[in-house]
Amino acid sequence: DIVLTQSPGTLSLSPGEGATLSCRASQGVTSNYLAWYQQKPGRAPRLLMYGVSRRVTGTPDRFSGSGSGTDFTLTISRLEPEDFGVYYCQHYSSSTGLTFGGGTKVEI
Amino acid sequence: QVQLQESGPGLVKPTETLTLSCGVSGYSVSSGYYWGWIRQPPGKGLQWIGSIYHSGNSYSNPSLKSRVTMSVDTSKNQFSLRLTAVTAADTAVYYCARHPQLRYFDFWGQGALVPVSS
Repeated sequence: DIVLTQSPGTLSLSPGEGATLSCRASQGVTSNYLAWYQQKPGRAPRLLMYGVSRRVTGTPDRFSGSGSGTDFTLTISRLEPEDFGVYYCQHYSSSTGLTFGGGTKVEI
Repeated sequence: QVQLQESGPGLVKPTETLTLSCGVSGYSVSSGYYWGWIRQPPGKGLQWIGSIYHSGNSYSNPSLKSRVTMSVDTSKNQFSLRLTAVTAADTAVYYCARHPQLRYFDFWGQGALVPVSS
């Protein structure tokens, strides 16, 4: 199985600061199948990025994704108050199935 | 706009079968995408349960595969999940979502909390 490890567990930042969220895979993964979600309390997750760096319609351009192989990063360039929540990375492989990372909580 | 809505029992007893349906509006379930189930135990992270195509082809989480059955009803534009022999560990919010090419989940239901308790 592919395990996705997200770090840090919690980020405490102020509006205007930048945030760097890491997602590390236990083995090399296909970039096309790497996605990021944002989840707020009591709400369903919301897809932000797919294919590592492709923003979904409605995702602000302060969000960017990068990485390949086993190391992936979601960067929020200038935090806005609405960016608080838990962020999950996710990967699908036909051989190992679909997995989510454990999440990074962003506190504003 | 694609919308999904989970429906099912409010409570399931241990050893019984959990059954959930997901009604879809704004898109036909037979139009070529996979449709998935994801769950989230209270205060914990997300776990993929499985995904199904309108043809019936499906993939499941290996850890749940022996207890999971999924189906699609194109006449009602909905898909369903059955999870057998539930225990307290199956208590979670269950989400349904659209799963294009198995790559990501782009539209989600609001989620249904299903406690497992006697």
